[in-house]
Amino acid sequence: GQNIDQPTEMTATEGAIVQINCTYQTSGFNGLFWYQQHAGEAPTFLSYNVLDGLEEKGRFSSFLSRSKGYSYLLLKELQMKDSASYLCAPSNDYKLSFGAGTTVTVRA
Amino acid sequence: ETGVTQTPRHLVMGMTNKKSLKCEQHLGHNAMYWYKQSAKKPLELMFVYSLEERVENNSVPSRFSPECPNSSHLFLHLHTLQPEDSALYLCASSQGADGGTEAFFGQGTRLTVV
Repeated sequence: GQNIDQPTEMTATEGAIVQINCTYQTSGFNGLFWYQQHAGEAPTFLSYNVLDGLEEKGRFSSFLSRSKGYSYLLLKELQMKDSASYLCAPSNDYKLSFGAGTTVTVRA
Repeated sequence: ETGVTQTPRHLVMGMTNKKSLKCEQHLGHNAMYWYKQSAKKPLELMFVYSLEERVENNSVPSRFSPECPNSSHLFLHLHTLQPEDSALYLCASSQGADGGTEAFFGQGTRLTVV
């Protein structure tokens, strides 16, 4: 099974940096996805980590440690449009399992 | 049209009704999925189809019946649902069903069972 743990809510100021941590326990781990979901909309892909280390993609970066079952998503230079839910999703075989999501609120 | 399209976007049905949700993908993907998203709960994987064959039924009650007639279309047939089945039902597709490629989601069907 999958145990996925991420904070429920985070609040930050426009222009700031926020780090969303995710821990997971799973068998047959392939890699870990991060998705963004705005209220009332479909989740959209942000990043995918297979190997340990940091993957940078513009203002968003994602880190993975396979041995520790740990990942984080780093959001830099926060903008109001970044207010959304961020879903941690480890994959094994063909199963993509999702955490409950972290709701990030960006304040002016 | 592009991406993953779901119809209808909203559905209200009685507990004795029979209805179907439709999903269509225009991405040439080989795998399709149904997920359920309830308020304040994680996305729950319901079914996985790879090359039109069901490879996963995640302990879903039989009142939910999936159908995949070809690699571009996926249906979820609903009958004698319960009020607790009210949720957002999301369809997704990916290039393969090996968990190594990103999934693209449709906008979902907001289902209310009365």
